[in-house]
Amino acid sequence: SQQGEEDPQALSIQEGENATMNCSYKTSINNLQWYRQNSGRGLVHLILIRSNEREKHSGRLRVTLDTSKKSSSLLITASRAADTASYFCATMDTGRRALTFGSGTRLQVQP
Amino acid sequence: DAGVIQSPRHEVTEMGQEVTLRCKPISGHDYLFWYRQTMMRGLELLIYFNNNVPIDDSGMPEDRFSAKMPNASFSTLKIQPSEPRDSAVYFCASSFSGQGAGYTFGSGTRLTVV
Repeated sequence: SQQGEEDPQALSIQEGENATMNCSYKTSINNLQWYRQNSGRGLVHLILIRSNEREKHSGRLRVTLDTSKKSSSLLITASRAADTASYFCATMDTGRRALTFGSGTRLQVQP
Repeated sequence: DAGVIQSPRHEVTEMGQEVTLRCKPISGHDYLFWYRQTMMRGLELLIYFNNNVPIDDSGMPEDRFSAKMPNASFSTLKIQPSEPRDSAVYFCASSFSGQGAGYTFGSGTRLTVV
């Protein structure tokens, strides 16, 4: 079953703009991860944020986590056409080792 | 490392036939996961292994599905008999139990049951 609900389901922006995707979840988590999936390909791990962290950066990616609201956001700055993909949040519940994936956000970056 | 290797990439089979999907995880990874992706249900965890031992198979849809991991470098997911509703992309992923480890996914097997 899916835990994360992502918002928006689809997002279309121009190259150079920032893209923000949100994820909400329901349980107590150990960590939350974001993945990217290009059409017809496997998922690629982007970034992991632990439950005791509030913000994390990696290159053009910025992830926030609010455990009191059970929500996370992924910000991609200065987007490029190559960022066009589906983005998934995934949660690792406390005491469990497997990830539960959200429904994903389809991002389209127009050149 | 070549990453997680899945075979075949595409499989078309007739209803009732047996289907075997294969996965070679990254060397040194001690967790292996099988997921299924469909438009309707998204990514669903089927089963996962730790050190070749099945830990949680509660996501396996029914007895027609079985998975094995005979050694650290190989796993199979078998569907017997296959049904049209099994059509999906099946992903294998592996990870290391160390802190901060994400999953490495294979390219998936697109299964079509006609």
